[in-house]
Amino acid sequence: GAVVSQHPSWVICKSGTSVKIECRSLDFQATTMFWYRQFPKQSLMLMATSNEGSKATYEQGVEKDKFLINHASLTLSTLTVTSAHPEDSSFYICSARGGYTFGSGTRLTVV
Amino acid sequence: GQQLNQSPQSMFIQEGEDVSMNCTSSSIFNTWLWYKQDPGEGPVLLIALYKAGELTSNGRLTAQFGITRKDSFLNISASIPSDVGIYFCAGQQMSGGSNYKLTFGKGTLLTVNP
Repeated sequence: GAVVSQHPSWVICKSGTSVKIECRSLDFQATTMFWYRQFPKQSLMLMATSNEGSKATYEQGVEKDKFLINHASLTLSTLTVTSAHPEDSSFYICSARGGYTFGSGTRLTVV
Repeated sequence: GQQLNQSPQSMFIQEGEDVSMNCTSSSIFNTWLWYKQDPGEGPVLLIALYKAGELTSNGRLTAQFGITRKDSFLNISASIPSDVGIYFCAGQQMSGGSNYKLTFGKGTLLTVNP
């Protein structure tokens, strides 16, 4: 079946540095991918919609200059958290195929 | 924004018992989806419902799309320990630039005592 591979599974970074998270569709092409953030014991909140070959669409309240999204090919979307701060620590998850397939998530801890 | 009310927030049951959880919304959705999330993992789709009144099963799981299109329920029969996890409902609307956008409920934490 359709698989979305997300890397890394977890990352610890220092405050002020940037972190890149990758999401790959392994056996299908994804013109659109979605990026979610999930805080402990909370639901998934959509951050942005990533569109291959065009700019991402960000949800209200999400800083596009802080959360950089690149969808340069039909199988790869990346989310870069720039100048990370402890409050950015969260579980980040991507999905494709209209939300039917999710990646395994990335646990980001900013120290 | 849109909100989904999912209940109960948590459930503690004995192995073999049946479980029911539901979601309601103030908005109409075209599709209802139910997911299970294990700790440290992404959600996995369990059942997708596309039509008002639709009743769909997947093994021990049964879900229904409410007639008003504003609610859905998920039943798990004869629960087993591996059913432990967080269950999320999600509603999907198809309109203009919001194709495929999902709105998630807050989740139901299920604990099954063997």
